[in-house]
Amino acid sequence: DAKTTQPNSMESNEEEPVHLPCNHSTISGTDYIHWYRQLPSQGPEYVIHGLTSNVNNRMASLAIAEDRKSSTLILHRATLRDAAVYYCILLLGSSNTGKLIFGQGTTLQVKP
Amino acid sequence: DAGITQSPRYKITETGRQVTLMCHQTWSHSYMFWYRQDLGHGLRLIYYSAAADITDKGEVPDGYVVSRSKTENFPLTLESATRSQTSVYFCASRSYTSTSYEQYFGPGTRLTVT
Repeated sequence: DAKTTQPNSMESNEEEPVHLPCNHSTISGTDYIHWYRQLPSQGPEYVIHGLTSNVNNRMASLAIAEDRKSSTLILHRATLRDAAVYYCILLLGSSNTGKLIFGQGTTLQVKP
Repeated sequence: DAGITQSPRYKITETGRQVTLMCHQTWSHSYMFWYRQDLGHGLRLIYYSAAADITDKGEVPDGYVVSRSKTENFPLTLESATRSQTSVYFCASRSYTSTSYEQYFGPGTRLTVT
C-alpha cells in the first residue's frame, strides 16, 4: 500500500489558519488522497478527499501539488474543537472496498 | 437512533475467554470494517465485509473471527483472548454507492484482557 508521511505534531493558535502537510511520493495516478481526523476518545471522522484538483468543503480545504506527491489540509480558522489527530490516507483507485490504511497521523494542538 | 453503534463500550475479560464485540448500523451500508487502535498508534484493519456472508482479512486478522449473516450487523469474536488483544476496537461502515468512499465510524469498544 502506498505510504504517506506526516509530521508527528503541530501547534496552532485559535482562529488562525492551519496547514497540515502530507507527503506521498509513491502515489499512483489513480490513488485518491483522503483525510480523516480523530477527536479525543472518538472514532475517526471523514474530513475531505481529492484526486488532482484542490477541493473545498464545509470543514476544510485540500490543496494538492501539481505532481501529486504532496498535499496540504487547510483549516481556515482553527477552533479548540479542531484539536485532534489528522490522518492523511491514500486510497487505491482500483479498490472497490475503500480499505483505509492509517498511518501515525499529525496531532494538532490548538491554543486559545 | 440512526447511525452506527457498538456494544459493549467497555469490556474487561480474562486471558483465554471468548469475547464478542457487536457492531450495528442502520444505513444498510454494504461495507463494514473492524479496526483496532493501540496506544500511540494509528488504526489497523482487522477484517472487512463487502456484503452479508462476504468477509475478508485485513492487516491483522490473527486471533479474530467475524461473521455477517445480516447486512446491519458485523460481530467480531476473539475466540481465546490474549493480553496483546487489549485495545480499542472501532467498527465502520460505508455505502457501496458512495463515490467518496467515506467511512462512518462507531464510538469504539475499549477491551482490556487481564
